[in-house]
Amino acid sequence: TQLLEQSPQFLSIQEGENLTVYCNSSSVFSSLQWYRQEPGEGPVLLVTVVTGGEVKKLKRLTFQFGDARKDSSLHITAAQPGDTGLYLCAGARDSSNTGKLIFGQGTTLQVKP
Amino acid sequence: DVKVTQSSRYLVKRTGEKVFLECVQDMDHENMFWYRQDPGLGLRLIYFSYDVKMKEKGDIPEGYSVSREKKERFSLILESASTNQTSMYLCASGQGSQPQHFGDGTRLSIL
Repeated sequence: TQLLEQSPQFLSIQEGENLTVYCNSSSVFSSLQWYRQEPGEGPVLLVTVVTGGEVKKLKRLTFQFGDARKDSSLHITAAQPGDTGLYLCAGARDSSNTGKLIFGQGTTLQVKP
Repeated sequence: DVKVTQSSRYLVKRTGEKVFLECVQDMDHENMFWYRQDPGLGLRLIYFSYDVKMKEKGDIPEGYSVSREKKERFSLILESASTNQTSMYLCASGQGSQPQHFGDGTRLSIL
């Protein structure tokens, strides 16, 4: 059974601090996606990483896919209150065309002004 | 822009009732998904459909069924609702291996 372990589950920091969220598995994923979810809304895609070792940047957010495609990290630089939300990593379950994902448990981030 | 619309944002039902959750997508996607979201557990796949009238069980299908009579509509059915089915339910659609697009969720309470 494929599992994605996401850590930490909760993070409360002050505005301006840096943070890293981790997503780890013993399984290899063909791709990995990061979503952000705000209260009362569905998850919204932030980025997809596909190649081992790939690094993608989205303003102050940096996403990395592990060389072996078993793990990923999300680093936020100088966090802002607008970054508050639930962050979810999700790995593609197989290389077929189904689009099925397995999700991590999520990281609830609170950035205090 | 892709839109996935779930029929209700909040729903309160009683134990034993048959409950229908509806989801409609407007992008002609082949794949549609139903998840439930519980604190600390992330999103868990209940059922998946890859074509009209085609369905596949996810990780937690017990107590649920689905219907996909038209490509744009995917319904989740709780045959006889129980209190442990109180949860947030999320519908998503996607094409091939492309990322999924989610609805805003239905918060279902079973009393």
